[in-house]
Amino acid sequence: DGGITQSPKYLFRKEGQNVTLSCEQNLNHDAMYWYRQDPGQGLRLIYYSQIVNDFQKGDIAEGYSVSREKKESFPLTVTSAQKNPTAFYLCASSIGVIRTGKNIQYFGAGTRLSVL
Amino acid sequence: SQKIEQNSEALNIQEGKTATLTCNYTNYSPAYLQWYRQDPGRGPVFLLLIRENEKEKRKERLKVTFDTTLKQSLFHITASQPADSATYLCALDIRGYSSASKIIFGSGTRLSIRP
Repeated sequence: DGGITQSPKYLFRKEGQNVTLSCEQNLNHDAMYWYRQDPGQGLRLIYYSQIVNDFQKGDIAEGYSVSREKKESFPLTVTSAQKNPTAFYLCASSIGVIRTGKNIQYFGAGTRLSVL
Repeated sequence: SQKIEQNSEALNIQEGKTATLTCNYTNYSPAYLQWYRQDPGRGPVFLLLIRENEKEKRKERLKVTFDTTLKQSLFHITASQPADSATYLCALDIRGYSSASKIIFGSGTRLSIRP
């Protein structure tokens, strides 16, 4: 069963706590992305990675961190510095512009993060 | 400032009619424009992609037009069905240095098809 798996589906964070959202893909895609979606708003890019061991900040990277040690995995940590973390977090992957010329995004099912 | 706008937050139409959704943008020069469908509590699913030098693209009951002069894309669903009810997102593929690609998403239009 190929695709992108995000876990957990729901996550609760206490004040001052760091939490990590998991994203795994078995599509052999080069690029991976993290987006945040708030009600009534479009997806906003947090971080992205085009190859293993390399990643770049998106538009709203403050308070978040990522790693890309394996091609299949791109975990996102929401740190205590992120003061408004409640949102729907979406991970996506794409084959990569270099290979296809296009950047079609394949999304996971999302993780809904709430603050206790 | 750079903006991407989708017409009306919600659109309600009768089953069997054609649904037309609009995506307007300013101050971008996208290489491609994409449309995605998102169901409640799920991730978006890619539907169609159109290049900057293409005027129209079709896939089954779906049709997308792209006018780079007007900076507008129209997304049509013909013979609409209740199962087409979802939020539809417009997305611009912006190319930068060394073909680096960034996707900018609109906030979406929630489409409801009533029987």
